[in-house]
Amino acid sequence: QKEVEQDPGPLSVPEGAIVSLNCTYSNSAFQYFMWYRQYSRKGPELLMYTYSSGNKEDGRFTAQVDKSSKYISLFIRDSQPSDSATYLCAMSGGTNAGKSTFGDGTTLTVKP
Amino acid sequence: EAGVTQSPTHLIKTRGQQATLRCSPISGHTSVYWYQQALGLGLQFLLWYDEGEERNRGNFPPRFSGRQFPNYSSELNVNALELEDSALYLCASSIQGFGYTFGSGTRLTVV
Repeated sequence: QKEVEQDPGPLSVPEGAIVSLNCTYSNSAFQYFMWYRQYSRKGPELLMYTYSSGNKEDGRFTAQVDKSSKYISLFIRDSQPSDSATYLCAMSGGTNAGKSTFGDGTTLTVKP
Repeated sequence: EAGVTQSPTHLIKTRGQQATLRCSPISGHTSVYWYQQALGLGLQFLLWYDEGEERNRGNFPPRFSGRQFPNYSSELNVNALELEDSALYLCASSIQGFGYTFGSGTRLTVV
């Protein structure tokens, strides 16, 4: 079993929809939770990170972490065609400090 | 401020050859991370260098190796290339140990 599991998708939504992307993990030592966006043929770009449990909002993006359930989510409000990309969750902490473990990514398409 | 730069962008090698990939981190970042992203797969951790030392290594054979230079730039070497080494190799740097800044990657093709 992988340490980090991510809904594989692909996910296709109409423009303006609310998108929910999710990951689960098994390592309770993880303390930092990140979301990256990767466009085709590009390196991943850090969207936001959260320390421990709770919510964090940045514009149209909201990250949620529930450590009790070992579950993290990224919500995208008012989705735009430019949000079409692969979204990767990543986690680090504990014995994995200094190294991030990534999910396999969810490919999102937002249709105009 | 320049981001993480990787070279070359593309590399084509024959099975059995050696490949050398290079990475320059963001100025001030002392940690460099290498990941492999095979087609359709997630990012697999290869190596982490900090202050010139190898700090952690992923589950890859010893023919994957690297080093970090005094200016914090890094080199990834892959010896005895195999077809399944074909992938996008991503370098990232960080100052806090999480929340990486990635380069655009080197696309290695082994034929």
